Amino acid sequence: GAGVSQSPSNKVTEKGKDVELRCDPISGHTALYWYRQSLGQGLEFLIYFQGNSAPDKSGLPSDRFSAERTGGSVSTLTIQRTQQEDSAVYLCASSYALLETQYFGPGTRLLVL
Amino acid sequence: GNSVTQMEGPVTLSEEAFLTINCTYTATGYPSLFWYVQYPGEGLQLLLKATKADDKGSNKGFEATYRKETTSFHLEKGSVQVSDSAVYFCALSESMYSGGGADGLTFGKGTHLIIQP
Repeated sequence: GAGVSQSPSNKVTEKGKDVELRCDPISGHTALYWYRQSLGQGLEFLIYFQGNSAPDKSGLPSDRFSAERTGGSVSTLTIQRTQQEDSAVYLCASSYALLETQYFGPGTRLLVL
Repeated sequence: GNSVTQMEGPVTLSEEAFLTINCTYTATGYPSLFWYVQYPGEGLQLLLKATKADDKGSNKGFEATYRKETTSFHLEKGSVQVSDSAVYFCALSESMYSGGGADGLTFGKGTHLIIQP
């Protein structure tokens, strides 16, 4: 079946602009996760959803970052007033349930000029 | 907090050589341990996992054994191929079950493996 998909695959934006990154999890997966992969920091966990709920937002790097999930499926990660240090690959993963194996999407490569 | 330490490389080997990539971890509870692989131009894929002490995960000729006494989960393969060239990530989850804990995976920095013909 289809895996986790993410869009766009690449995004170039100017400093100060807002961006939205989208994740489509595997059908039937109730848990969804966002990570960031950058040269300096490696792979960082950002936030997870169980259904539409995100119980812990403390992993988000700043208050410019927000995420939502609707209908228990698609999720969007929004970065407001982007900064150059936001440049990274943003990865989404989903799992059948919490505590189950996570499957990753191909990522969105964000470049902030 | 939790952490994972692994050799960053690059690690360069000849085809058919024996591979070891070291991974050690720090965790407060009873983590599940994972190796993920990222082939050039592709997304992260789960390679293998182990959910409790002394478990051995294996896949595609790769093996890793969960060693609680040394807090390690070293990745090994007896004879590597050019197609094994990739970046390998060791990771942990505090889940007591099959993995993917509620607070996300903690990853090592990744080891870039290059296999030469």
